[in-house]
Amino acid sequence: DAKTTQPPSMDCAEGRAANLPCNHSTISGNEYVYWYRQIHSQGPQYIIHGLKNNETNEMASLIITEDRKSSTLILPHATLRDTAVYYCIVAAGNQFYFGTGTSLTVIP
Amino acid sequence: GAVVSQHPSWVICKSGTSVKIECRSLDFQATTMFWYRQFPKQSLMLMATSNEGSKATYEQGVEKDKFLINHASLTLSTLTVTSAHPEDSSFYICSASSGRALNEQFFGPGTRLTVL
Repeated sequence: DAKTTQPPSMDCAEGRAANLPCNHSTISGNEYVYWYRQIHSQGPQYIIHGLKNNETNEMASLIITEDRKSSTLILPHATLRDTAVYYCIVAAGNQFYFGTGTSLTVIP
Repeated sequence: GAVVSQHPSWVICKSGTSVKIECRSLDFQATTMFWYRQFPKQSLMLMATSNEGSKATYEQGVEKDKFLINHASLTLSTLTVTSAHPEDSSFYICSASSGRALNEQFFGPGTRLTVL
């Protein structure tokens, strides 16, 4: 079962930062936080993952709270192509249980 | 690198027929492959996990005799939907892991199954 909760939808203006929150209050010490996104009718695309330190790559930044009970995915300069459903997943092993995700709409 | 393909991308079949969906890792060896199902406007649901050369492990509520999974090689897994019915119409997505990096999963583009 999914162990994360996310807002069902969010809007973001093009060019602005999109901050997508995720609650995972029951996360275990050995579980990582993963973010994937899915554009309509395509397979999920990996974005970023982390354990407890903040992470940044060419796509996004991941901010994990010190108690690890929540995290935020940051898309620094959202574009129209970032419109997608964003999934936050916590997993220790290699089995991913997807929650309902956040549908992000980037508005021109 | 790390490309996963699925074939076919879309299949339409009559009720009662069986449909086979292939999942291939194109540029790496996948020790583990996963199959998901996604209904319209819903999230992905993990159906089963398969390791190369062994029987798949099915999630609770997924009928193993209905959804036959074969992972005979390190680059190919197949999902066969047997005696398909309209309620099996869904988007089927596979993912693959080489096991080299912790918990990596590379997803295929999905296969849309429509059962008439």
